[in-house]
Amino acid sequence: LAKTTQPISMDSYEGQEVNITCSHNNIATNDYITWYQQFPSQGPRFIIQGYKTKVTNEVASLFIPADRKSSTLSLPRVSLSDTAVYYCLALRMDTGRRALTFGSGTRLQVQP
Amino acid sequence: DADVTQTPRNRITKTGKRIMLECSQTKGHDRMYWYRQDPGLGLRLIYYSFDVKDINKGEISDGYSVSRQAQAKFSLSLESAIPNQTALYFCATDGTSDTDTQYFGPGTRLTVL
Repeated sequence: LAKTTQPISMDSYEGQEVNITCSHNNIATNDYITWYQQFPSQGPRFIIQGYKTKVTNEVASLFIPADRKSSTLSLPRVSLSDTAVYYCLALRMDTGRRALTFGSGTRLQVQP
Repeated sequence: DADVTQTPRNRITKTGKRIMLECSQTKGHDRMYWYRQDPGLGLRLIYYSFDVKDINKGEISDGYSVSRQAQAKFSLSLESAIPNQTALYFCATDGTSDTDTQYFGPGTRLTVL
């Protein structure tokens, strides 16, 4: 599975846009970039997933350049409730077996 | 009702005791997983099961065992608990579609004294 690298922590203020970048230099052709969010003492929650270019949903946007060696999770106008750990995963999409490999994630702290 | 439930939510036990953590899901998924999380770290996979007759070891299976009693139930056992098994344990489930995401339970906080 492709190894992902992301910043350990980030700080922001309410109302700002937050961009978290993830590096995945060894991503495979059939890997999808998937982001999860985890609040303290809760299980991770799926946020967004994409293969290339841009994906947007009601929570976030995901930007993946053509070479797919990195990706950026964009959270528009964050609020205090967005304080959480964000995990970037390169998820293998094939017909075989798979399990998620979580790194340490990015701890986002949103200040008032 | 929650899609993935775990019992107990909190448990304190003593070294050497046997303990079982239970997980149930109402998603109708075939695949289920057990992870542990230590403070400040990501999740590590303990065991996973892709159907009732399939059990696989994950990254850190030593000291743990599992049982897949039914499609909806997957339990994790610590045969003889030790203090370094103190952690937050999560159960997760997903379907067989390639784009399915994993759904996680609320976690069980286990303390081994």
